[in-house]
Amino acid sequence: GESVGLHLPTLSVQEGDNSIINCAYSNSASDYFIWYKQESGKGPQFIIDIRSNMDKRQGQRVTVLLNKTVKHLSLQIAATQPGDSAVYFCAENPREDSSYKLIFGSGTRLLVRP
Amino acid sequence: ETGVTQSPTHLIKTRGQQVTLRCSSQSGHNTVSWYQQALGQGPQFIFQYYREEENGRGNFPPRFSGLQFPNYSSELNVNALELDDSALYLCASSPGTGGREQYFGPGTRLTVT
Repeated sequence: GESVGLHLPTLSVQEGDNSIINCAYSNSASDYFIWYKQESGKGPQFIIDIRSNMDKRQGQRVTVLLNKTVKHLSLQIAATQPGDSAVYFCAENPREDSSYKLIFGSGTRLLVRP
Repeated sequence: ETGVTQSPTHLIKTRGQQVTLRCSSQSGHNTVSWYQQALGQGPQFIFQYYREEENGRGNFPPRFSGLQFPNYSSELNVNALELDDSALYLCASSPGTGGREQYFGPGTRLTVT
């Protein structure tokens, strides 16, 4: 079935370094993708989104890259800070129907070392 | 601008009971989605409501039902609770035709004993 998966379940980085979180998706019909950050005990927080007609999108300290050829998505965080420590999810909208349902992966935990 | 709110924060129920969870969408958003998040996993789509009509459903049994009100707030009802229903239930609102991004509330932690 369709799934969104992440290559690395846990990523540990030094404060100030750049972080890259990867994600593979399986549904080639998906045309919209979102990255979320979830801190312990909280709901997912929207970080950045990208449509399938784009390869790259930048936000504040974050960049999302989309490679449709290999169905791969990545989130780059520049100058990682302790406050970035959380679980990160990528999600896709497969557009199977009129809904905007999101399919999530299992997440990557980002640990920022001081 | 008020974000998505959910109530209650925590809930403990006994197997076989029924539960109702509530969600108020973000101002201006007409679409509400519900997700179930088991511990250590990503959220799973339950269903979505757009202008008071169900607009898509995930792989959940009929004992999971919902409702959306004219002010776009929403309820999730679960009948005949099972132990596996223990999870964090998340509500997300989106602008609908105005945009596909979904903004989540803090969730309701349901424990079934």
